[in-house]
Amino acid sequence: DAGVIQSPRHEVTEMGQEVTLRCKPISGHDYLFWYRQTMMRGLELLIYFNNNVPIDDSGMPEDRFSAKMPNASFSTLKIQPSEPRDSAVYFCASSRNTAARLHQETQYFGPGTRLLVL
Amino acid sequence: DQQVKQNSPSLSVQEGRISILNCDYTNSMFDYFLWYKKYPAEGPTFLISISSIKDKNEDGRFTVFLNKSAKHLSLHIVPSQPGDSAVYFCAASKNTGFQKLVFGTGTRLLVSP
Repeated sequence: DAGVIQSPRHEVTEMGQEVTLRCKPISGHDYLFWYRQTMMRGLELLIYFNNNVPIDDSGMPEDRFSAKMPNASFSTLKIQPSEPRDSAVYFCASSRNTAARLHQETQYFGPGTRLLVL
Repeated sequence: DQQVKQNSPSLSVQEGRISILNCDYTNSMFDYFLWYKKYPAEGPTFLISISSIKDKNEDGRFTVFLNKSAKHLSLHIVPSQPGDSAVYFCAASKNTGFQKLVFGTGTRLLVSP
């Protein structure tokens, strides 16, 4: 398996522009997560989906951020309009479903998208 | 409010010595803890985990210790190798909504030859 695939790997844009980040999870994984990494806050969970349905979006910073998962193999994170404080590395991760909490299923991360908003 | 804290942003250790990375948490509802390792330009990868019903879990050179009363866990790497140089993230989850991981800010480990 190719692992979690993210695109683009790098994005430089100007303040006010729309930014769309893309993710393809590992085939067969039921959960998909979007994280943001910054020096000050580390890895923050923005939103996660189960079977394409958003479960928890409490980490989404504000209405400028939106995420969709139209099918089991694709998700997008959109920022509109973008601001310089959105500059960060954005990670997508996926994991399999667990029927019982006997063992925490590992989350597999993509390589990330480094976003710079000027 | 950081529920998972890694107060040491960096740690330098000589090859062959022990590396000890620390993590503190504030939410007593956390009952499962994980460590992830991250190399530059890559995503984090799972390293080792521990359930709150245990106080120690070992996997090769890596051991995680959990002190529930102190709300503290640590990762020990013995012996440390230059290839262990990376950023290490501590993470925690609760029994409800357990897929949701709360990460710390990370500790950058540098192992010098």
